[in-house]
Amino acid sequence: GESVGLHLPTLSVQEGDNSIINCAYSNSASDYFIWYKQESGKGPQFIIDIRSNMDKRQGQRVTVLLNKTVKHLSLQIAATQPGDSAVYFCAENMNYGGSQGNLIFGKGTKLSVKP
Amino acid sequence: NAGVMQNPRHLVRRRGQEARLRCSPMKGHSHVYWYRQLPEEGLKFMVYLQKENIIDESGMPKERFSAEFPKEGPSILRIQQVVRGDSAAYFCASSEDRGSSPLHFGNGTRLTVT
Repeated sequence: GESVGLHLPTLSVQEGDNSIINCAYSNSASDYFIWYKQESGKGPQFIIDIRSNMDKRQGQRVTVLLNKTVKHLSLQIAATQPGDSAVYFCAENMNYGGSQGNLIFGKGTKLSVKP
Repeated sequence: NAGVMQNPRHLVRRRGQEARLRCSPMKGHSHVYWYRQLPEEGLKFMVYLQKENIIDESGMPKERFSAEFPKEGPSILRIQQVVRGDSAAYFCASSEDRGSSPLHFGNGTRLTVT
């Protein structure tokens, strides 16, 4: 299944399927992007990051794609498991390493995995 | 797991009281960030500190809120004369440096103002 940016806050997938969570970021000058996973009652947990000089980065079961032309970021989760159920946030940062040290978070997408 | 430690996990204050939230960064991390999260929303940046210095407080309300990160001890976020609108989850994050490492978050302090 797919979500379509920030206007679809809930994504429901079957266990074992691949998940794609999308994010439209706001600032064309942003040069660093991160995906976080947040489970109920916990803080955001780092999943994967990518710099603007790349368009794809892979981790364990996760892939982040960056399309700077349309300011779009996506997180792909392979073989989704019940433990992946959480709210996923994308975050952007401008001038990472420069004078700004804060992240701008999106509103999040809630991923529900059906067994 | 020597992650970012925040305490207390839950804090209840009456309107007009003071709230003090504490954050111990990960070992070896000297950069601390505070964020606020309202229900069903993303996190909003408040302040970024290094040891004994406030680097960026552009997200901090001008009144009643202050933050410090002393040479010894945890970072403190202080809210004076709390109001109901201050009820939120407050998250602290730390990083090894400001340039190349991602932020690692604690599990937050949930402040409830009654």
